[in-house]
Amino acid sequence: DVKVTQSSRYLVKRTGEKVFLECVQDMDHENMFWYRQDPGLGLRLIYFSYDVKMKEKGDIPEGYSVSREKKERFSLILESASTNQTSMYLCASRGDQLAGVSETQYFGPGTRLLVL
Amino acid sequence: AQSVTQPDIHITVSEGASLELRCNYSYGATPYLFWYVQSPGQGLQLLLKYFSGDTLVQGIKGFEAEFKRSQSSFNLRKPSVHWSDAAEYFCAVGADNAGNMLTFGGGTRLMVKP
Repeated sequence: DVKVTQSSRYLVKRTGEKVFLECVQDMDHENMFWYRQDPGLGLRLIYFSYDVKMKEKGDIPEGYSVSREKKERFSLILESASTNQTSMYLCASRGDQLAGVSETQYFGPGTRLLVL
Repeated sequence: AQSVTQPDIHITVSEGASLELRCNYSYGATPYLFWYVQSPGQGLQLLLKYFSGDTLVQGIKGFEAEFKRSQSSFNLRKPSVHWSDAAEYFCAVGADNAGNMLTFGGGTRLMVKP
């Protein structure tokens, strides 16, 4: 089974802090994604990466950055956390870059972040 | 741009009753369509997906969905709901020319009455 793990299930941070959310997948997938999930809005794509050191902006990249130094790990960084970044953050991975969007994305359990 | 609408934010059904969750999408060409389920405190799990071929797709846990191009819909159905089906359900659409991007609907939260 594909396993996607996220470093924390719950996180509480203060406004202005730098926040790191870590995601690791164990299936040698090329593609990894970060979403945020808010009630009524579904999932919105923040960033994705299709290879090591490669990244692309999603629908809502403002206030976030990402890092992919190793194939299995994809980090989401909030440079200066703000209260409007309180949300559930979901990581996903997808294999077989050549197959495109038709391949299944596998999700981690999520990190619920509260920014005070 | 592609978009997905799930008109029902909350649905409550009795255990054993049938279920239909609605999903409407907007996209110019043939889309790739997905249904995911999220149980409380969990990540999303794929229920089923449609790319081409037979418009009635069977998934896990007894779910099925039907692609209707004329109605731009991909509704999820189950003939008899179990209490363990209580969860949030997300419809998503993707397209080859959208690169890696899936667009998700806002979700439908299903509650099951005993």
